[in-house]
Amino acid sequence: QVQLQQSGAELVKPGSSVKISCKASGYTFTSYDMHWIKQQPGNGLEWIGWIYPGNGNTKYNQKFNGKATLTADKSSSTAYMQLSSLTSEDSAVYFCARATYYDGTYYPSYWGQGVMVTVSS
Amino acid sequence: DIQMTQSPSSLSASLGDRVTITCRASQDIGNYLTWFQQKPGKSPRRMIYGATNLAAGVPSRFSGSRSGSDYSLTISSLESEDVADYHCLQSIQYPFTFGSGTKLEIK
Repeated sequence: QVQLQQSGAELVKPGSSVKISCKASGYTFTSYDMHWIKQQPGNGLEWIGWIYPGNGNTKYNQKFNGKATLTADKSSSTAYMQLSSLTSEDSAVYFCARATYYDGTYYPSYWGQGVMVTVSS
Repeated sequence: DIQMTQSPSSLSASLGDRVTITCRASQDIGNYLTWFQQKPGKSPRRMIYGATNLAAGVPSRFSGSRSGSDYSLTISSLESEDVADYHCLQSIQYPFTFGSGTKLEIK
């Protein structure tokens, strides 16, 4: 079965960067997009972008250009998201989610458990 | 960006009630609408995809429908385990966008 295991909670300082991981198992890692989604406390969900591990192609929400960088390591079936120049607005839970195909599109369907990132001095 | 207007933001209903949550799309999204359930401290779980298709393992009391630009998630008979936040997602156009969520509680 599809399993996505994300890395642990992070406490980071303003202005710094953080890299969180999402290790996939139970399917062919290189065959499905991996999406990333942000959820601030008490708020809704916000789509960040996806990476296709098969060739490294990415698609970002313009809002996160320069903020988030998506990468993937095929050898370890792990996707990564680096967040840079962190501010309090980046404090949130970040989810990875494997895509599923439906009628010509791919949408996030199987979700990891989430990583809480707290930005504080 | 496509705006997904979700209502109500919160809902309190009795066990056994029929419950409906709605998302209205600001542009045509066809049937590219997914409903997720999120229990406290957990990650979202796919419930309905393609606007009307029940995901595997989801109880049959859940259903999805579409009327024009309005998409609805209905629980035919509310059970205690259905207490959760519910989110809709459009996946026809980038950036993908979610509704603002509905918090469902038991009265």
